[in-house]
Amino acid sequence: GESVGLHLPTLSVQEGDNSIINCAYSNSASDYFIWYKQESGKGPQFIIDIRSNMDKRQGQRVTVLLNKTVKHLSLQIAATQPGDSAVYFCAENKAGYSTLTFGKGTMLLVSP
Amino acid sequence: DTEVTQTPKHLVMGMTNKKSLKCEQHMGHRAMYWYKQKAKKPPELMFVYSYEKLSINESVPSRFSPECPNSSLLNLHLHALQPEDSALYLCASSQWTATNEKLFFGSGTQLSVL
Repeated sequence: GESVGLHLPTLSVQEGDNSIINCAYSNSASDYFIWYKQESGKGPQFIIDIRSNMDKRQGQRVTVLLNKTVKHLSLQIAATQPGDSAVYFCAENKAGYSTLTFGKGTMLLVSP
Repeated sequence: DTEVTQTPKHLVMGMTNKKSLKCEQHMGHRAMYWYKQKAKKPPELMFVYSYEKLSINESVPSRFSPECPNSSLLNLHLHALQPEDSALYLCASSQWTATNEKLFFGSGTQLSVL
């Protein structure tokens, strides 16, 4: 259906590797996207956001890329650490909805 | 202060009990939210308050009753819950209810209904 979705439910990486978490969206009218990290037993924690007038935005060790042509959003984590192990959700401001719409989530597992 | 504080962190209740979840923020945000989250699923919106008034109710059963006593506080009153209501209940806030605003989440209340 028309929703934010993720290609990989689980991503396993080695400590020190770069991680890429992907998110596909189908609503071309969405103009705001956000990534959250959720550790076990905790609430979602804001990582980074991006508006549709940008293609790329960088934070500390994280980069979000937005490809509006193919409606694809990705989160890149550099030098992944065990503390990055969590579920990552993307969200969009989907037209017709009053709040952010969350994707299904990807679990990132980082091995030492 | 950029925190959303939720109490209690854990709650176990029977199906005939009445309990309340509490949420507090001091960021001056005018929008507050209740979400329900099942394990390994994304948060599902339940209620939205804007300027202390209920603006969205996502067809939530009446056994869940939200309350916004003031701009900093949000409660969720629970009565006659079912075991399937067991979940993580998340409170969130944002500066406004615009959809291009990021949400700040609390750590949640893990609810078990026996």
